[in-house]
Amino acid sequence: AQKITQTQPGMFVQEKEAVTLDCTYDTSDPSYGLFWYKQPSSGEMIFLIYQGSYDQQNATEGRYSLNFQKARKSANLVISASQLGDSAMYFCAMREGWRGYQKVTFGTGTKLQVIP
Amino acid sequence: KAGVTQTPRYLIKTRGQQVTLSCSPISGHRSVSWYQQTPGQGLQFLFEYFSETQRNKGNFPGRFSGRQFSNSRSEMNVSTLELGDSALYLCASSSPDRATNEKLFFGSGTQLSVL
Repeated sequence: AQKITQTQPGMFVQEKEAVTLDCTYDTSDPSYGLFWYKQPSSGEMIFLIYQGSYDQQNATEGRYSLNFQKARKSANLVISASQLGDSAMYFCAMREGWRGYQKVTFGTGTKLQVIP
Repeated sequence: KAGVTQTPRYLIKTRGQQVTLSCSPISGHRSVSWYQQTPGQGLQFLFEYFSETQRNKGNFPGRFSGRQFSNSRSEMNVSTLELGDSALYLCASSSPDRATNEKLFFGSGTQLSVL
């Protein structure tokens, strides 16, 4: 079974609108971390947001928020007030086991295009 | 503070050759990991080093190896190159600070083309 599933290969959003990128995960490890990264066409991966499995509240970082539903094993990224610079690939990822270890499993990504 | 630096940015090799890629982490970062990114397989974890020791390894053949030096700089080596090794190789580092050690900082990658 896939550990990280992103079912939306591509999405369009109007500038200034909010958009939700879906991510579901599968693990039996009680300790895990969930991430979202952005990859512009330049290739560099940019950290956006992190949610630990024991965190009670949903993570937020500026315009980014992570809708963490533990029972459903979902970790959707919400981008509010989309900007043209948000056009990029977005990857959901999961770290299992010890916190701080870098063995991370990535999803297949969602290509987001922001329309003026 | 300088970011994660990967060299070279682009590399062209032929089948059967070997290649060494370099990664300099952010100053103070002791954990370095490597990922392979291809259109077909996506992003896949190769290995992770911490204080010169490999502490995690992905499912790649033994042709893929790495090491980390005392200054935390890391190298990745691929021997007997195959066409399927053509990929973007990304290096990441993280801070030892527990409050932020989950955040990976990535370099711009090395684009390897095997002909």
